[in-house]
Amino acid sequence: SQQGEEDPQALSIQEGENATMNCSYKTSINNLQWYRQNSGRGLVHLILIRSNEREKHSGRLRVTLDTSKKSSSLLITASRAADTASYFCATERRDDKIIFGKGTRLHILP
Amino acid sequence: DSGVTQTPKHLITATGQRVTLRCSPRSGDLSVYWYQQSLDQGLQFLIQYYNGEERAKGNILERFSAQQFPDLHSELNLSSLELGDSALYFCASSALTGWDEKLFFGSGTQLSVL
Repeated sequence: SQQGEEDPQALSIQEGENATMNCSYKTSINNLQWYRQNSGRGLVHLILIRSNEREKHSGRLRVTLDTSKKSSSLLITASRAADTASYFCATERRDDKIIFGKGTRLHILP
Repeated sequence: DSGVTQTPKHLITATGQRVTLRCSPRSGDLSVYWYQQSLDQGLQFLIQYYNGEERAKGNILERFSAQQFPDLHSELNLSSLELGDSALYFCASSALTGWDEKLFFGSGTQLSVL
């Protein structure tokens, strides 16, 4: 498969809790990105972390990258109902292809 | 609104037919990507164009072809359609400055092959 893997496939949490999603990939990368997709709509870019970075923050988002383990995590703090969506990691490989995983479906419970 | 326009939004056709999906990138973006999204396969990279030239190829079937025109819009042609080709097809564009490419996605074309 050309894809990475997100884990878990689905996640349900209470509003206000933190949500953590993980991504593993197979080849060396230039950067790793996270995107959000609301049901059936186009993906929206959230955050990008370069291969030489270990952690990055943007608002309520925190991304970590461990290139030795070929893995990344996305933490959403203080979740809100509007965060309900699917989240995808995408890796920009050395051959410049941008490859997506299958996504994590996040459901925020009221 | 991402600035990427895809038409049509929905397409219903029969097996064996041929269809053309169209994408207009964001103003100023030179690179166009095509992805296929299905429930069981996730988001599959098909092909990328940059300024009219093919730049990268993914798992694109031989029955599928694409091109990018001088005005930078792109078309994805799907022929000899099969039931399994039913999926959401996305186009995305980027400026392709060399580093840290962020993709801007269109709203997709939902293809149903009956």
